[in-house]
Amino acid sequence: QQQVKQSPQSLIVQKGGISIINCAYENTAFDYFPWYQQFPGKGPALLIAIRPDVSEKKEGRFTISFNKSAKQFSLHIMDSQPGDSATYFCAARGWGAQKLVFGQGTRLTINP
Amino acid sequence: DSGVTQTPKHLITATGQRVTLRCSPRSGDLSVYWYQQSLDQGLQFLIQYYNGEERAKGNILERFSAQQFPDLHSELNLSSLELGDSALYFCASSAAGGPNTEAFFGQGTRLTVV
Repeated sequence: QQQVKQSPQSLIVQKGGISIINCAYENTAFDYFPWYQQFPGKGPALLIAIRPDVSEKKEGRFTISFNKSAKQFSLHIMDSQPGDSATYFCAARGWGAQKLVFGQGTRLTINP
Repeated sequence: DSGVTQTPKHLITATGQRVTLRCSPRSGDLSVYWYQQSLDQGLQFLIQYYNGEERAKGNILERFSAQQFPDLHSELNLSSLELGDSALYFCASSAAGGPNTEAFFGQGTRLTVV
């Protein structure tokens, strides 16, 4: 119940395209869903986060879509750029808990 | 720069040895978390300290221990090292409380056990 399942493991998108990464969870006690971006040799950095009381959150080219009934959420990167090439992790955290449960990560490559 | 400092950046040691990883959290952050990142396991939560007290424990081996000092820096001690302990170890910190508290990660320590 503590797992967060992420797909795909790797993704190649052409420059200007839309990158979509999906995550699913089981634990209905999760109430905070962040996405982290990690470049090689660096630590994960918060990209965008959502709470389950909204179905979508947009920040610039990055959008989280959240489906509470299906227990799924996804990251959409519009107009993908080579600089977006990185590993992306979805995560979840329960109310009152501070630890994050991470998905397995998606290695995104944007071809110029 | 997240403001979380981890030392050393790289560590190579032999099996059976003991190492200490150090983390300085962002100024003012009371919570420190340790995560292990390996190729096959992803990012796994190890342990959390809050203002010097252990707050939560994850899949941390008995050979591993941590502590948070009065100045809020934290150390992760790994002993009787095995080849499988080779991984990236990340420290993260966050401010006290709050449901939307963001965790900031350091750049990690890459541990190689040979």
